[in-house]
Amino acid sequence: QVQLVQSGAEVKKPGASVKVSCKASGYTFTSYDINWVRQATGQGLEWMGWMNPNSGNTGYAQKFQGRVTMTRNTSISTAYMELSSLRSEDTAVYYCARGPYGDYWGQGTLVTVSS
Amino acid sequence: SYELTQPSSVSVSPGQTARITCSGDVLAKKYARWFQQKPGQAPVLVIYKDSERPSGIPERFSGSSSGTTVTLTISGAQVEDEADYYCYSAADNNWVFGGGTKLTVL
Repeated sequence: QVQLVQSGAEVKKPGASVKVSCKASGYTFTSYDINWVRQATGQGLEWMGWMNPNSGNTGYAQKFQGRVTMTRNTSISTAYMELSSLRSEDTAVYYCARGPYGDYWGQGTLVTVSS
Repeated sequence: SYELTQPSSVSVSPGQTARITCSGDVLAKKYARWFQQKPGQAPVLVIYKDSERPSGIPERFSGSSSGTTVTLTISGAQVEDEADYYCYSAADNNWVFGGGTKLTVL
């Protein structure tokens, strides 16, 4: 069965970077885009960007351009999302989701930014 | 930028029909999808391409579209359908979410 399994919770200080992983199984990793979405506590869903695991092409939401980098390692069917220059407002649960419809999601990774 | 507008809350009694709308200019050109999210859980896709239902989603969930408005309908809503529902669409590979609607069934 299709699964996306994300890395564990992180606590970071302001100004630091965080890298979240998303390991895919049960399907051909390079056949579907991976999207990243975040959700602050009690807030709605916010799309961050997408990556094509086959080509490595990416597209980022304007809000995150310059701070986010999405990469992959096809040999281990894993996608990564790195967010830099963290601030308290980046505290949220970060999800990966399979494109194009978001039919499968990871379990979420809580990133807490606190001094 | 694109925007999608949803009501913040909808409330129905068990067995009634719940309707959640989503409006935005992009919907006249692009398909809508709907997610259900229960507290502490990842979102679940319940409708894609305006009205298609993924396998495993109960038949009481349906979607429709008219112009710049799409509607998620839950016929005979059940207590377990209580959740937040988000519409979203994709334009130029960018996902755009509505603000979410809290559905209360009691």
